[in-house]
Amino acid sequence: GAGVSQSPSNKVTEKGKDVELRCDPISGHTALYWYRQRLGQGLEFLIYFQGNSAPDKSGLPSDRFSAERTGESVSTLTIQRTQQEDSAVYLCASSLSDRAGRAYGYTFGSGTRLTVV
Amino acid sequence: GQNIDQPTEMTATEGAIVQINCTYQTSGFNGLFWYQQHAGEAPTFLSYNVLDGLEEKGRFSSFLSRSKGYSYLLLKELQMKDSASYLCAVGGRAAGNKLTFGGGTRVLVKP
Repeated sequence: GAGVSQSPSNKVTEKGKDVELRCDPISGHTALYWYRQRLGQGLEFLIYFQGNSAPDKSGLPSDRFSAERTGESVSTLTIQRTQQEDSAVYLCASSLSDRAGRAYGYTFGSGTRLTVV
Repeated sequence: GQNIDQPTEMTATEGAIVQINCTYQTSGFNGLFWYQQHAGEAPTFLSYNVLDGLEEKGRFSSFLSRSKGYSYLLLKELQMKDSASYLCAVGGRAAGNKLTFGGGTRVLVKP
């Protein structure tokens, strides 16, 4: 697609429920990233995908968080047994990937605003 | 690891100039990015520096000194629509082109 698409745009869930957040990256972008942004704060790295594998999961805050990517395209971030501290905007970004190590900028989706009540 | 510092908030007057500083410490450096983020919206790319010096793009310029671990974003002829958060991000040399973001600087432009 033309941009990075995320769904849903807003999600309100009860504490203890599981949620799934979806990201459709730009076609041809092999690298995909998930970040979390709490209100008034910066972006906190969660996980990175290269193709369908996740070489860096170092930012996932607990084992309640997991993510997968299929077809080198869509990615899903799952949060199990949600807690109030999970309330945040979850941003997905995609970029070109260069194995020689050059840096490319990200294109971000509009994010999913998750509220756990 | 990487550590990125930028001021939390700045206020400036319409038509003026504002400079947002960013200092970083990194175990490997692969470029510095500036993003603009309006409230409730996604960050959008503004600039990229990988070599020392000044990159100018219209009203916005970005400077980098790798030896000092320092960058700034300069916004000239401020407009009300420039009120936003400005995020400094550093790319590391580890695989994956992962960007580490600072906490962002909220710029408020007043009439």
